[in-house]
Amino acid sequence: AQSVTQLDSQVPVFEEAPVELRCNYSSSVSVYLFWYVQYPNQGLQLLLKYLSGSTLVKGINGFEAEFNKSQTSFHLRKPSVHISDTAEYFCAVWFNQAGTALIFGKGTTLSVSS
Amino acid sequence: NAGVTQTPKFQVLKTGQSMTLQCAQDMNHNSMYWYRQDPGMGLRLIYYSASEGTTDKGEVPNGYNVSRLNKREFSLRLESAAPSQTSVYFCASSASRNSPLHFGNGTRLTVT
Repeated sequence: AQSVTQLDSQVPVFEEAPVELRCNYSSSVSVYLFWYVQYPNQGLQLLLKYLSGSTLVKGINGFEAEFNKSQTSFHLRKPSVHISDTAEYFCAVWFNQAGTALIFGKGTTLSVSS
Repeated sequence: NAGVTQTPKFQVLKTGQSMTLQCAQDMNHNSMYWYRQDPGMGLRLIYYSASEGTTDKGEVPNGYNVSRLNKREFSLRLESAAPSQTSVYFCASSASRNSPLHFGNGTRLTVT
């Protein structure tokens, strides 16, 4: 079965520090990759997506992610975080095979403190 | 532009009761989904509808049924609620199966 693994369940960081949230997936087929953010008591919002082309993709709020096919990874990065980035972040993968829908990782809680 | 609208926002049920969660989208999307979110488990797919007239089971379909009423609406029914179904339920839609999902704001369901 296909799977998505977010390697860290919680990431505490100080304001203005850089952050990387890690995501790996299992796949022998082509994939489309997404990162979503969920603020407290809200639904999920799309941060960025990789469909094809450049492996470095930029999203909203200064986030970016890099697709590494050989490592089957799609790590999310931000060079300098703000208090307002405190939220839960989900990596999601669509595996290009019949009968599948978007599969989510278990999420990483990013906590930014001053 | 409402996007994806879910009703109700909150619901408390007793074990054995039934209810239907409603979802509607106004983006003319073909695909619709129901996920549940539990602490530490991420989002798990219950059922999805790749297009009007079709539905398929996801990862955790037991205890649920769905109806794709038309292109706009996709409902989720719990026939006999159990405490294990206490969760936050999200409806989502997308233009196609591999397009980004647009989410509703969720329904928080408690089964006692």
